[in-house]
Amino acid sequence: GQQLNQSPQSMFIQEGEDVSMNCTSSSIFNTWLWYKQDPGEGPVLLIALYKAGELTSNGRLTAQFGITRKDSFLNISASIPSDVGIYFCAGSDKYNNNDMRFGAGTRLTVKP
Amino acid sequence: DTAVSQTPKYLVTQMGNDKSIKCEQNLGHDTMYWYKQDSKKFLKIMFSYNNKELIINETVPNRFSPKSPDKAHLNLHINSLELGDSAVYFCASSLYGTGPVEQYFGPGTRLTVT
Repeated sequence: GQQLNQSPQSMFIQEGEDVSMNCTSSSIFNTWLWYKQDPGEGPVLLIALYKAGELTSNGRLTAQFGITRKDSFLNISASIPSDVGIYFCAGSDKYNNNDMRFGAGTRLTVKP
Repeated sequence: DTAVSQTPKYLVTQMGNDKSIKCEQNLGHDTMYWYKQDSKKFLKIMFSYNNKELIINETVPNRFSPKSPDKAHLNLHINSLELGDSAVYFCASSLYGTGPVEQYFGPGTRLTVT
């Protein structure tokens, strides 16, 4: 099956800094999603991307669907303490029954 | 107005027992899922189910079985629980077909097998 590589595994940043994380796939996806998981909660959808090259923003978050359809990145600008959590990328392929595959997550720590 | 809900939130039980986790969604979705999240936070799909098709991840032991009394519910039954079953289990739902495949997750059930 498709392999999703998410990096970095963890990040420790100062409040106010910008953050960037990315995911790459061994094969093509037709959808990329980014989720955030707070401790003790389920993943919450942040951004959904459906077209190659698409760039979408949600407040301080910006995500892009790579032109090759094998990668996506998520940027967080001007981080704040509540950005702490685990961020997951997920991709699905309509030619594979729309099965969703998740990256291993990026654990973000923001120091006030 | 919770979109995807699960009960219980925590479940502590002994090896060998049989237990169930319930999931309900009020989003009008027709596909539901169960995921297992291990201690390293890796999310692994266990099942996806709609009223037409059950897709099972081949690595899931047959001690695990989903049961759907109707489109809004997908319960997870686990027989003969083992220590390695300890994890957080998430239910999710989405629309079916070629439309948006965004999945919406429940709050999770933390299962501890002793």
